Amino acid sequence: AQKVTQAQTEISVVEKEDVTLDCVYETRDTTYYLFWYKQPPSGELVFLIRRNSFDEQNEISGRYSWNFQKSTSSFNFTITASQVVDSAVYFCALSAPNADKLIFGTGTRLQVFP
Amino acid sequence: DAGVIQSPRHEVTEMGQEVTLRCKPISGHDYLFWYRQTMMRGLELLIYFNNNVPIDDSGMPEDRFSAKMPNASFSTLKIQPSEPRDSAVYFCASTPARVHGYTFGSGTRLTVV
Repeated sequence: AQKVTQAQTEISVVEKEDVTLDCVYETRDTTYYLFWYKQPPSGELVFLIRRNSFDEQNEISGRYSWNFQKSTSSFNFTITASQVVDSAVYFCALSAPNADKLIFGTGTRLQVFP
Repeated sequence: DAGVIQSPRHEVTEMGQEVTLRCKPISGHDYLFWYRQTMMRGLELLIYFNNNVPIDDSGMPEDRFSAKMPNASFSTLKIQPSEPRDSAVYFCASTPARVHGYTFGSGTRLTVV
């Protein structure tokens, strides 16, 4: 069975701090895809990144970076120099290549205070 | 492209009434998904379509829920009769192919009183 665990329910930081959101997944598939989505207070779900299981290179996009480690089944998300606009709920998700649907974690609520 | 369009944004209805939620996917996207989000259960997949055909409706909570996709540019999710426990945010999402990132609509916040 596939499962995504985001153990951190809520994180609070002060602006300019770095913060890491954890994501641990379970799957028996050798090929799979991992995703992060952002849900700001306005409510929409915004796609951030997709990573396939064959690509363990870390990815950086501006202040965002992702650390994928198959050995620990983790796909963690780091925001560097956080800003108030980063305040949102962040979801990690998993999909197998022969499956059409995403399995979402329960989300981590990030609050960035000025 | 305007993205995935859902209507209405907010719906308040009385228990027992029929509710219809609407979704227009992104043109060219072959997959359409309906999700429900609640505090207690998080994001739950209700049903999804591929090329207008329902593929998996195992997430539909009960017979009161039904979904249709009469053509590639329109889908509906109907609840009849509605109950207070159906109160949630309902998201529609579409994607051009498997394992691409979904594009979500803005959601419909349903309140059943």
